[in-house]
Amino acid sequence: QVQLVQSGAEVKKPGSSVKVSCKASGGTFSSYAISWVRQAPGQGLEWMGGIIPIFGTANYAQKFQGRVTITADESTSTAYMELSSLRSEDTAVYYCAIFSGGGDTRFDYWGQGTLVTVSS
Amino acid sequence: DIQMTQSPSSLSASVGDRVTITCQASQDISNYLNWYQQKPGKAPKLLIYDASNLETGVPSRFSGSGSGTDFTFTISSLQPEDIATYYCQQYDNLPLYTFGQGTKLEIK
Repeated sequence: QVQLVQSGAEVKKPGSSVKVSCKASGGTFSSYAISWVRQAPGQGLEWMGGIIPIFGTANYAQKFQGRVTITADESTSTAYMELSSLRSEDTAVYYCAIFSGGGDTRFDYWGQGTLVTVSS
Repeated sequence: DIQMTQSPSSLSASVGDRVTITCQASQDISNYLNWYQQKPGKAPKLLIYDASNLETGVPSRFSGSGSGTDFTFTISSLQPEDIATYYCQQYDNLPLYTFGQGTKLEIK
């Protein structure tokens, strides 16, 4: 049984950066396509980007290009999402998600979510 | 970019009702569409994948259909525990994904 455990809530100042982690257990981390999805308060789901650790290259939604960096550490089965130049509109719950069956067509396991609050 | 237009944005129905949500893609995405359920304060849950396949463990009252640009998600008999927001998600242009705007389902 796959489990994704994310780091805790963060409060950040505008203009700063935040780095959220997602630790996987119970599966083959390197072969997963790990995505990051965010949800602003009262809003819908927004895919930000993803990475397949065994390949190492991340892909990003155009909206976040240049501001988000997604990495993965195979030695600790942990993925990271770093978002820079934070603004109030980045206040959201950030989720990591994978497809446990290999491939990258859907998300059947999700982390519990990490609330990032951007406030001066 | 592929845009996904979901409707309605909110829906009120009675227990036992048949509920239908639609999702329209801005271009042909074959059957590359999934449906998720999200309850307040929880992560989304996969219900339907590849437009019409029921995820393991999901009740059979949930179903999906469609291909190309037009897709439908149906709850055959609404139950109180189905109160949630539902999202479609396309994966035609991997490794990029797009979600619909969501449909909030309430009990009448």
